Amino acid sequence: GNSVTQMEGPVTLSEEAFLTINCTYTATGYPSLFWYVQYPGEGLQLLLKATKADDKGSNKGFEATYRKETTSFHLEKGSVQVSDSAVYFCALSTDSWGKLQFGAGTQVVVTP
Amino acid sequence: DTGVSQNPRHKITKRGQNVTFRCDPISEHNRLYWYRQTLGQGPEFLTYFQNEAQLEKSRLLSDRFSAERPKGSFSTLEIQRTEQGDSAMYLCASRFSLGGITEAFFGQGTRLTVV
Repeated sequence: GNSVTQMEGPVTLSEEAFLTINCTYTATGYPSLFWYVQYPGEGLQLLLKATKADDKGSNKGFEATYRKETTSFHLEKGSVQVSDSAVYFCALSTDSWGKLQFGAGTQVVVTP
Repeated sequence: DTGVSQNPRHKITKRGQNVTFRCDPISEHNRLYWYRQTLGQGPEFLTYFQNEAQLEKSRLLSDRFSAERPKGSFSTLEIQRTEQGDSAMYLCASRFSLGGITEAFFGQGTRLTVV
């Protein structure tokens, strides 16, 4: 079956540090890949997506590239801010109905 | 448009009681999803509606769980004879799609505690 594996947290960083969160997947067919973010007390929000191999999703300074050869979709940001403190979820979808399968989430804590 | 709204935000119930949660999706969104999230885990798919039709149910959705979406608008998720293992955050999401990949918008969830 399909699955998403992401690095465990919490990841603690200083402001302006470089952030990478690893995500790998197992799927039949050609999934669409997503990163969702959950800020404290809020619902999940779509951060970025990529729908085919070699696509790069980007938003708010975050980037992730769909790597079919390594079945990965790692999230990166060059300079994090305290406001980036949140839980980040990698997810995939393999059907036209849009059902999402999530990883366990990675908590990121950015300190001033 | 105020986004996806879920009520109540928190529910504490005694084991064996029935509970019902409500989700109001973004208007005109034809697709509605329910997910369950336990502590330290990502959301797990429960069920999906396209308009008023329930098109898929996860094996996680035992016969104690039932979901409806009358008239393709709001949706309810009912859990009968609650068990402690039902304690979780129940998330609702909606999107508009005629087949393409569009953004799913999530509500803030209903946190259920079964004591």
